[in-house]
Amino acid sequence: KQEVTQIPAALSVPEGENLVLNCSFTDSAIYNLQWFRQDPGKGLTSLLLIQSSQREQTSGRLNASLDKSSGRSTLYIAASQPGDSATYLCAGETGANNLFFGTGTRLTVIP
Amino acid sequence: GAGVSQSPSNKVTEKGKDVELRCDPISGHTALYWYRQSLGQGLEFLIYFQGNSAPDKSGLPSDRFSAERTGGSVSTLTIQRTQQEDSAVYLCASSYLGPGANVLTFGAGSRLTVL
Repeated sequence: KQEVTQIPAALSVPEGENLVLNCSFTDSAIYNLQWFRQDPGKGLTSLLLIQSSQREQTSGRLNASLDKSSGRSTLYIAASQPGDSATYLCAGETGANNLFFGTGTRLTVIP
Repeated sequence: GAGVSQSPSNKVTEKGKDVELRCDPISGHTALYWYRQSLGQGLEFLIYFQGNSAPDKSGLPSDRFSAERTGGSVSTLTIQRTQQEDSAVYLCASSYLGPGANVLTFGAGSRLTVL
């Protein structure tokens, strides 16, 4: 069974800092990789999707990369803002229309 | 609809009672998923529907849990004889399985508390 680990579990940074969130899979046979954001009491919002033929995706201040050989993904957030405070979840799809989620990294950006 | 709608948003029930959670996916989305998120845990896959059929029920924790989907649209997750360990947020997601990748849109969830 695919297991997903996210490090760190929690992160607190001052506004303006660049930061990296990490995600690793026990089974590197990942079809697609998605990063989600979850705000308290809310559902998940998809941020970036890296398809099987891709290695990274960028959207604004966010950049996600995927190294299939090592089963690792990173989410890079540039120039962090207080509005970025949320829990960030990575999820890998293994081709069976099912996503395996990590436990998330809770990010706090301090004004 | 514009997004995935779930109801109720909050449900408090007594141990042993049955509960029904509803999910109304985005119109046209053929795939529908139920996940469970317990406090401090990651999202746990419960069941996946393609149309009205459920090719993968492997995540349902016990026979007290069941789900159905009708008309390729609304889905209901039923938990019978609820236990305290069933307390969690139940999230529904839908997607359109087209030529592109499987991008899920999530609802806001139904928070279940079993006393």
